[in-house]
Amino acid sequence: DAKTTQPPSMDCAEGRAANLPCNHSTISGNEYVYWYRQIHSQGPQYIIHGLKNNETNEMASLIITEDRKSSTLILPHATLRDTAVYYCIVRGSTSGTYKYIFGTGTRLKVLA
Amino acid sequence: DTGVSQNPRHKITKRGQNVTFRCDPISEHNRLYWYRQTLGQGPEFLTYFQNEAQLEKSRLLSDRFSAERPKGSFSTLEIQRTEQGDSAMYLCASSLAGTSEKLFFGSGTQLSVL
Repeated sequence: DAKTTQPPSMDCAEGRAANLPCNHSTISGNEYVYWYRQIHSQGPQYIIHGLKNNETNEMASLIITEDRKSSTLILPHATLRDTAVYYCIVRGSTSGTYKYIFGTGTRLKVLA
Repeated sequence: DTGVSQNPRHKITKRGQNVTFRCDPISEHNRLYWYRQTLGQGPEFLTYFQNEAQLEKSRLLSDRFSAERPKGSFSTLEIQRTEQGDSAMYLCASSLAGTSEKLFFGSGTQLSVL
């Protein structure tokens, strides 16, 4: 089972910041938080990942709480092309496996 | 294009037939994953390889499913005696093993079992 909880859907106005939350209260010390997104009819696409510190790249920012029990993916200026399903995944070697377990994600709709 | 390549993109078959899908990973990647995805659901893990070794297989994977990765390069996923419930998108991903590895997915093979 997925170790994360995400809202099933969110709307965001074009040009505004999209903030997608994720709860991972059972995360272990060596587990990373990953975000992927999936645009209709395509394979998932890597966005960003982090362990403890906040991270930023050309696509998004990742804010991880100090206790690491939750995180937020921020798309600073959402565009219509950001409409997709966003998956938050916790992954590490704690359980002896390296597989990624996807939940059902958050369906983000960017509105014109 | 140096991304993950999957063939065919679409496959329509009759119930009871065998089908085989192929995945060509990014050339330097040593890990290869297979996932299955049905409408409205996230990708469901099937199996993964490190080089040619199959390291994990989902308990959900019946013995009608088999995957291989000879020589640690491309991989094939075969489904024998297909059932209508096998209809899904089959996704392949590859990665370079490491503590913070990233998966790169192909566009998938859409299987329809009639």
